[in-house]
This record gives sequence, C-alpha cells and structure tokens, in this order.
Amino acid sequence: KQEVTQIPAALSVPEGENLVLNCSFTDSAIYNLQWFRQDPGKGLTSLLLIQSSQREQTSGRLNASLDKSSGRSTLYIAASQPGDSATYLCAVHPGANSKLTFGKGITLSVRP
Amino acid sequence: DGGITQSPKYLFRKEGQNVTLSCEQNLNHDAMYWYRQDPGQGLRLIYYSQIVNDFQKGDIAEGYSVSREKKESFPLTVTSAQKNPTAFYLCASSIGGFNSPLHFGNGTRLTVT
Repeated sequence: KQEVTQIPAALSVPEGENLVLNCSFTDSAIYNLQWFRQDPGKGLTSLLLIQSSQREQTSGRLNASLDKSSGRSTLYIAASQPGDSATYLCAVHPGANSKLTFGKGITLSVRP
Repeated sequence: DGGITQSPKYLFRKEGQNVTLSCEQNLNHDAMYWYRQDPGQGLRLIYYSQIVNDFQKGDIAEGYSVSREKKESFPLTVTSAQKNPTAFYLCASSIGGFNSPLHFGNGTRLTVT
C-alpha cells in the first residue's frame, strides 16, 4: 500500500529565504506526483504535476523535482514571501485506474 | 470564470438527520470526486465518478451516498449512518481521471451535534 509522508508538519522561515519542502513515498512505481497549496478554510490549488517520466517541473518561483528510485519529491520555493504562507500537500498517483494518495501536508509560515 | 462551486460553506445539522452537500462545476470535466479532510489525517476519498450515471466507492464510502445525473453536478449525501460526520468536505473534478490535475472547490464545513 502506497504511503506518502511529509516532514516536518510545520515550518516557519523569514521572508526572502529559499526553501525546500519534502515529500516521500514508499512505492516507486508511480504514474505522477502533484503538489497542491491549501489556504486556511479553502480548497486545494494544483501547483505542479510531474509525470513519472519527468525529473522536474517549474512554475514561476516554484520548482518541483521527482526522484522515483529514492521515493522522493521536493518543492523548491525561491525568495519566499508572506503570501506563500499556506499548507502544501503532495499526492501520488500509483497508476492507471488507481486513486491518488495524499500526504498530510506541510504548513508553511513566512515571517515578514 | 470556470470553476467548482460548493455550497453552503458552513452547514450545521442535528445528529440523526441526513444532509446533502452541493457540488457544481462548469469546467466541462468528466470526472468528479468527493474527499473528506480531518485534522491530522489528510484527504480521504469518499466517492468518485468518471462519467455521468456512474460512480465508485472510495476508501471511506460507508454512511455516504452520491448521484451523478448531470455532468455538472455531483451531490453528496451524508446519512445518519455516518458515525463521525463532522468534517471539512472537498469536491474536485478533472478532465479525465486521476492522471489529470485536480481542481478543487472551496469546501463545505459540516458540523453535526
């Protein structure tokens, strides 16, 4: 059974720092991996989707990498801003006709 | 603007009553999903539908029911059989299954007392 882990559960950094959020999964046979952002009391917003054949995806200040063999993905946020404060979740798609498995998320606080 | 609308944002019910949560999308997506989010537990899949008039149970379907009579709509009924219904419920859709990016609504917070 696929398990997705995000550690630490919470992170606080000063504005301007470059930071890395980690996501690990137990079964390397995945179809794709998605990173989401969730603001308090709101739904999830898809940030990046990495197919299993890709190594990374970039969108603005965000860069997500995927290393299937080690069961890891990282979300890199450059020059963090207070507006980046939110919970970041990763989700793994094990394969065709399978369901997404979500991590519990990392709650990020960027201090002005 | 295209998107997913969940209503109401907050819902309060007495124990023993059934309650229906609304989810409407105008993205022309075939697939729709219902998730439940509890503190410290992440998202868990309740039901999903890949096409109109068809739906499948997710990981925690007991005590819930759904219908998919129209492409745009996927209502979720929380029945009195659901032992712990108080939670944050999220509806999502995608163009074609789990391989496509999921688009989420803003959720309904249900409180049952």
